[in-house]
Amino acid sequence: EVQLVQSGAEVKKPGESVKISCKGTGYSFPTFWIGWVRQMPGRGLEWMGVIYPRNSDARYSPSFQGQVTFSVDQSISTSYLQWSTLKSSDTAIYYCARLGYDILTGYPRGFDLWGRGTLVTVSS
Amino acid sequence: DIQLTQSPSFLSASVGDRVTITCRASQGITNYLAWYQQKPGEAPNLLIYTASTLQNGVPSRFTGSGSGTEFTLTISSLQPEDFATYYCQQLKSYPYTFGPGTKLDI
Repeated sequence: EVQLVQSGAEVKKPGESVKISCKGTGYSFPTFWIGWVRQMPGRGLEWMGVIYPRNSDARYSPSFQGQVTFSVDQSISTSYLQWSTLKSSDTAIYYCARLGYDILTGYPRGFDLWGRGTLVTVSS
Repeated sequence: DIQLTQSPSFLSASVGDRVTITCRASQGITNYLAWYQQKPGEAPNLLIYTASTLQNGVPSRFTGSGSGTEFTLTISSLQPEDFATYYCQQLKSYPYTFGPGTKLDI
């Protein structure tokens, strides 16, 4: 089955670190960019950035540059999002999503496959 | 960064109504625009890409149009399952920003 399977909810204290995962199955994982999207409680979608599994090329939104790190382990078709120092304002649902593209032109089409989201709660 | 605005922010409608949501970009994005639907407690779902192409499996009552800086999503005859929040996203340049969303209520 074509899907993205995300890791379970995390509860952390401010200042702690965390790494959440997103495993792709049923498709050629190396050839699609994986994106990360934040949704704070009751709020809209925020584009955090994308990473290309084949070579780990990553593009970050300026709003998240330096605050988070994307990584990939191609051998297990998994992408990661990590924080070294969490803040209470990082409390949110984090989605991973596959960036579809036009096969002929390579142009991006949008996130055509989504994980179910990982809730990260940061509270003292 | 390219900014997106959506109007209206909230929309009340009834089953069978025709509704239109507008998305405007701060600069021209040709047709690099996608529309998503998100229901409470669920991940977003891609409806339309390249401004007007229907994603596989999406009902034909959803149509997208526009180019440049102004885009619309139209639902021709609202069904109960269409009450949700709708987001546009530009894919012209990084960061691929989302619009603030339009909540469609009964």
